[in-house]
Amino acid sequence: KQEVTQIPAALSVPEGENLVLNCSFTDSAIYNLQWFRQDPGKGLTSLLLIQSSQREQTSGRLNASLDKSSGRSTLYIAASQPGDSATYLCAVSGGYQKVTFGIGTKLQVIP
Amino acid sequence: DGGITQSPKYLFRKEGQNVTLSCEQNLNHDAMYWYRQDPGQGLRLIYYSQIVNDFQKGDIAEGYSVSREKKESFPLTVTSAQKNPTAFYLCASSKTGGSNNEQFFGPGTRLTVL
Repeated sequence: KQEVTQIPAALSVPEGENLVLNCSFTDSAIYNLQWFRQDPGKGLTSLLLIQSSQREQTSGRLNASLDKSSGRSTLYIAASQPGDSATYLCAVSGGYQKVTFGIGTKLQVIP
Repeated sequence: DGGITQSPKYLFRKEGQNVTLSCEQNLNHDAMYWYRQDPGQGLRLIYYSQIVNDFQKGDIAEGYSVSREKKESFPLTVTSAQKNPTAFYLCASSKTGGSNNEQFFGPGTRLTVL
């Protein structure tokens, strides 16, 4: 059974700092890995999707990497801003019904 | 604007009542999903549908039912058989399944049992 772990559970950083969020998974037989952002009481917003054959994806200040063999992904946020404060979730997909979500990392960026 | 809508935003249910949560998408996606989110837990899959008139149980389908009569719509009914329905419910869609199943989510419905 796939298990997804996100460390740390919570993170507080001053504005402008670069930061890394971690996601690990136990079964490397995946189709893709997706990073989401969730604001309190809201739905999930897709940030980046990395196919299993890719090593990284970039969107603006965000960069996600994938090391399938070691079961790890990182989300790098450059020059953090207060608006980045949210919970970040990763999800690993092995097919339609085989999407496993982590519990998330709650990020607070302090002005 | 393309996207996924869910209604209502908040829903209150009395003991013994069935309630239906609405999910509509205009992304022309084939696949749709229902998830439940509880504090301290990852999202859990309730039901998913790969195509119109077809749907499959997820990990926690007991006490729930769905229909997929139209491509755009995937309503979820929470029946009185669901013993602990208070949760945040999220609907999602993807273009297809497999490797191309980037999921897009609606804003969610918070269901509370009175």
